[in-house]
Amino acid sequence: QLQLQESGPGLVKPSETLSLTCTVSGGSISTNIYYWVWIRQPPGKGLEWIGTIYYSGSTYYNPSLKSRVTISVDTSKNQFSLRLSSVTATDTAVYSCARLFWTSAGTMVYYFDYWGQGTLVSVSS
Amino acid sequence: QSALTQPASVSGSPGQSITISCTGTNSDVGSYNLVSWYQQHPGKAPKVVIYEDRKRPSGVSTRFSGSKSGNTASLTISGLQAEDEADYYCCSYAGSNTLIFGGGTKLTVL
Repeated sequence: QLQLQESGPGLVKPSETLSLTCTVSGGSISTNIYYWVWIRQPPGKGLEWIGTIYYSGSTYYNPSLKSRVTISVDTSKNQFSLRLSSVTATDTAVYSCARLFWTSAGTMVYYFDYWGQGTLVSVSS
Repeated sequence: QSALTQPASVSGSPGQSITISCTGTNSDVGSYNLVSWYQQHPGKAPKVVIYEDRKRPSGVSTRFSGSKSGNTASLTISGLQAEDEADYYCCSYAGSNTLIFGGGTKLTVL
């Protein structure tokens, strides 16, 4: 059974950089039919796609966050990571990593089949 | 990239059917057959209930169905049960490997 687990500081100061890691167990991150994604959910609000990475290192970001986001992958550790710079209180959210099943038999499918439990990151001095 | 539009809340009695709409644009919902729907219970990770507009993953109740017309996708839950009470989110592919979520709909089973 695939499992994803987020880890990182639960409190970040304004203007600093938020850093989280997602560790994948029970399966390889180096699989060509999946993408690996970061999503966040501010308290009481909806889901927001942050960005996506392929095991090769190709990345795709939400245009509204693109200038502050970096997602990277470490296939040797079966992990991928998120860095969000210059955070403010509006970046307070539950951050989750997820696996995106993007293709089956040459056809795009594009849905999240596994999620981590999420980790709350608060931005406060 | 604005969020897809969903009603903030819907409600229904046990046994009834409800429909949740998800409106986007011809750059996302209207351009690709790649809308997925997620059920999220409080404190839990989302669970996919519909993908590719209308396909149901194995293990998901046949009471869940999806459809689409133009730029609006819809999720219908028939034979409402208490366990269906949750938040529901739509998500659409928006081209160039980007994604967009809806704002979410709170379903209350009366």
